[in-house]
Amino acid sequence: SYVLTQPPSVSVAPGQTASITCGGNNIDTKSVHWYQQKPGQAPVLVVFDDTERPSGIPERLSGSNSGNTATLTIGRVEAGDEADYYCQVWDRSSDIQVFGGGTKLIVL
Amino acid sequence: QVQLQESGPGLVRPSETLSLSCTVSGGSVSDDYWAWIRQPPGKGLEWIGYISYTGRTNYNPSLKSRVTVSLDTSKNQLSLKLNSVTATDTAVYYCARNIKAWTRDPSNYYYYMDVWGKGTTVTVSS
Repeated sequence: SYVLTQPPSVSVAPGQTASITCGGNNIDTKSVHWYQQKPGQAPVLVVFDDTERPSGIPERLSGSNSGNTATLTIGRVEAGDEADYYCQVWDRSSDIQVFGGGTKLIVL
Repeated sequence: QVQLQESGPGLVRPSETLSLSCTVSGGSVSDDYWAWIRQPPGKGLEWIGYISYTGRTNYNPSLKSRVTVSLDTSKNQLSLKLNSVTATDTAVYYCARNIKAWTRDPSNYYYYMDVWGKGTTVTVSS
């Protein structure tokens, strides 16, 4: 089955830019979606179809997808961005929806 | 707007069946696709399966032999049944609306979860 690989953690200082990666074989042939999960809360969709933002998600959060890596970029990081972030794709060959292992964003 | 609320027993005995419901408000279960996702304590998200408005289902291969997802249109609910549970099934269980969307290529589509319930904690223990 299709595997998505994320780094366990990413650290960034406030005001800087954070990049969270999601690796998968030829992932650029798939649509990648990203979720933010704060402690004790349900996940929230922050990016879908590689680059699209749902209503209410700030422009500071953006996505890209190329080759074997999709990336969620968070600009001008704030303390409130500290959370776990998960990437997700649909694997057409198996009709299975797959999550990456998640990345904890640490705001220093 | 669509809201989801999971409900069910918080404690299930080993070898028994876990049964959860998800009540949909602000929308109809007959209009969309729906998914169940779980998260063991301190771990990541695991997709359990989905059901379409026609009742078509597909499940995570790791759970397929034990899981059933169904719709109750009269109650506007979806349900999850997981049998023969063990301690490894202890988790927060979420239901979510599963969007099916098309790319510019009309033969190409994808799925994502745009609305989630708050989740319900299920512990498997004797």
